Amino acid sequence: DTEVTQTPKHLVMGMTNKKSLKCEQHMGHRAMYWYKQKAKKPPELMFVYSYEKLSINESVPSRFSPECPNSSLLNLHLHALQPEDSALYLCASSQDGAGSYGYTFGSGTRLTVV
Amino acid sequence: KQEVTQIPAALSVPEGENLVLNCSFTDSAIYNLQWFRQDPGKGLTSLLLIQSSQREQTSGRLNASLDKSSGRSTLYIAASQPGDSATYLCASTGFQKLVFGTGTRLLVSP
Repeated sequence: DTEVTQTPKHLVMGMTNKKSLKCEQHMGHRAMYWYKQKAKKPPELMFVYSYEKLSINESVPSRFSPECPNSSLLNLHLHALQPEDSALYLCASSQDGAGSYGYTFGSGTRLTVV
Repeated sequence: KQEVTQIPAALSVPEGENLVLNCSFTDSAIYNLQWFRQDPGKGLTSLLLIQSSQREQTSGRLNASLDKSSGRSTLYIAASQPGDSATYLCASTGFQKLVFGTGTRLLVSP
């Protein structure tokens, strides 16, 4: 298995809702990442988990809460989001924390906040 | 702080042309350089990874080179096809971080 799987592919949520994004990989990668991408812009790093521990939080608002239950799974819990949070959320993984062998991305979750 | 720039921002060519996409970075102390393709509304597909000790990588019609001393990488696409139409992103890799370029939107017309 050489894929990063993200669910759901599309999500529409109200500003008072609580939802979660899920990311899974079975490549034995030990680092996992969340990126946010707005239209016509490059992806921006949000969080990094290395060996199941949060190692980087790029000053992301607390309405985004990451969780790494095990080395294969990464969640992003969403609560009280704003319309400007609408974006494509991408999950990625790498074999080690340095990205020595490159990064693998999932197909993303298109999030719309109404 | 690493900054990555891609030129041109957009490119439109007829099918069959050979083309070059450029990527420049400000800090030559990068680890690796990775090229991705992104179709509209989709995730990123890895095309080529050039590790720090390498100068180029090839996959099919794609060839990517890396010159760390000049802070430049190029992606060469031979005999372009309409299916190559997408946004191409280069990214420099440092510890736990990818720094993405601004992207080149490529349109190949039949």
